[in-house]
Amino acid sequence: AQKITQTQPGMFVQEKEAVTLDCTYDTSDQSYGLFWYKQPSSGEMIFLIYQGSYDEQNATEGRYSLNFQKARKSANLVISASQLGDSAMYFCAMREGRKTIFGAGTRLFVKA
Amino acid sequence: EAGVTQFPSHSVIEKGQTVTLRCDPISGHDNLYWYRRVMGKEIKFLLHFVKESKQDESGMPNNRFLAERTGGTYSTLKVQPAELEDSGVYFCASSRKAGTANTGELFFGEGSRLTVL
Repeated sequence: AQKITQTQPGMFVQEKEAVTLDCTYDTSDQSYGLFWYKQPSSGEMIFLIYQGSYDEQNATEGRYSLNFQKARKSANLVISASQLGDSAMYFCAMREGRKTIFGAGTRLFVKA
Repeated sequence: EAGVTQFPSHSVIEKGQTVTLRCDPISGHDNLYWYRRVMGKEIKFLLHFVKESKQDESGMPNNRFLAERTGGTYSTLKVQPAELEDSGVYFCASSRKAGTANTGELFFGEGSRLTVL
């Protein structure tokens, strides 16, 4: 069964606008971690942001914020003030215990 | 500190041949993971080492895949014999143990692209 679901295969956003990338997850654990990674065309995977399941406040890292809604099991990534360099694949991931699993990814295109 | 390195970056082999992928994790990272991404699909977990021990190999597709991490340092992933469906990008990642001081985030290599013809 799919544990990480990213329903948007592709998204377009105008430069300087904000964009939300959706992620829902499924787990029966009480303790888990949620991550977002960025994969630009060069191929490397870049860690963006982390949210622990017990964290009450939404995580923020610069222009990235994670909209964590625990009851709905969603962990959407919000990118504010999009830049051309934000064009990339974005993967949502969940750590249960020592194992991290990934969603299928969302390709973001930032338009000038 | 040096990042996770993988070799080769790209390998093209014929069906039935053998390929060995290597991963050097970040020094001091006990956890080492192998993942695979087939075009357009999710990054699929293959297996997880803690030091030299296989902690979880539930994602290994079949017995044509063999992973080792002798001495708890670098790891190899051998595919023998390779089939067409093995094509994809194989990522290695390492991490420290998650705890109060760190999130357990994964540090990835740049991947080894395998093409089986």
